[in-house]
Amino acid sequence: DAGVTQSPTHLIKTRGQQVTLRCSPKSGHDTVSWYQQALGQGPQFIFQYYEEEERQRGNFPDRFSGHQFPNYSSELNVNALLLGDSALYLCASSLAVGTGGSEQYFGPGTRLTVT
Amino acid sequence: AQSVAQPEDQVNVAEGNPLTVKCTYSVSGNPYLFWYVQYPNRGLQFLLKYITGDNLVKGSYGFEAEFNKSQTSFHLKKPSALVSDSALYFCAVRDSSNYQLIWGAGTKLIIKP
Repeated sequence: DAGVTQSPTHLIKTRGQQVTLRCSPKSGHDTVSWYQQALGQGPQFIFQYYEEEERQRGNFPDRFSGHQFPNYSSELNVNALLLGDSALYLCASSLAVGTGGSEQYFGPGTRLTVT
Repeated sequence: AQSVAQPEDQVNVAEGNPLTVKCTYSVSGNPYLFWYVQYPNRGLQFLLKYITGDNLVKGSYGFEAEFNKSQTSFHLKKPSALVSDSALYFCAVRDSSNYQLIWGAGTKLIIKP
């Protein structure tokens, strides 16, 4: 049973560029959440997707956008990259049980460096 | 507003001794509480959760946590620490009417032989 997978593992971009990160959820899961984790900090919630719709969004600017596909996989897009966007980006999948009682399973993350 | 506090940046414990990693939270509604562990260069792994019911929750690798509503705490515990328990531990909380998971800053647990 494959767990959550993310690609790429590492990415180096220049300020002002755009980036797309990809995530495949754990088999059987239908909900995908994205997080940003800066060095030495806890993850920060970016948004969650369910049934191909953004269900909730954290305190991130519109430069951060996403998409969920019919097979439940997801993409995170970041436009006009800033140096401060350098972080580990984590994808987590879960089952849409009620409003949040199910635990999330995390991928290994994508390390984004903006120069 | 929801928040989570992990008051200790680092906890040092001798192997074989009991360990406690502290977590307090603030939510407006009923809390859903979680503990995760992060090993170096690896993703976050789920340990245990409290949704409702018994205040003492048992999880993976011999860990347990006690939900205390009056103190708004959810401390992680283990009766006998192993060197392999050394890692970064995160507490997270979600309001029952909300999808957003709020995370603490993490506590580095160091188990010395």
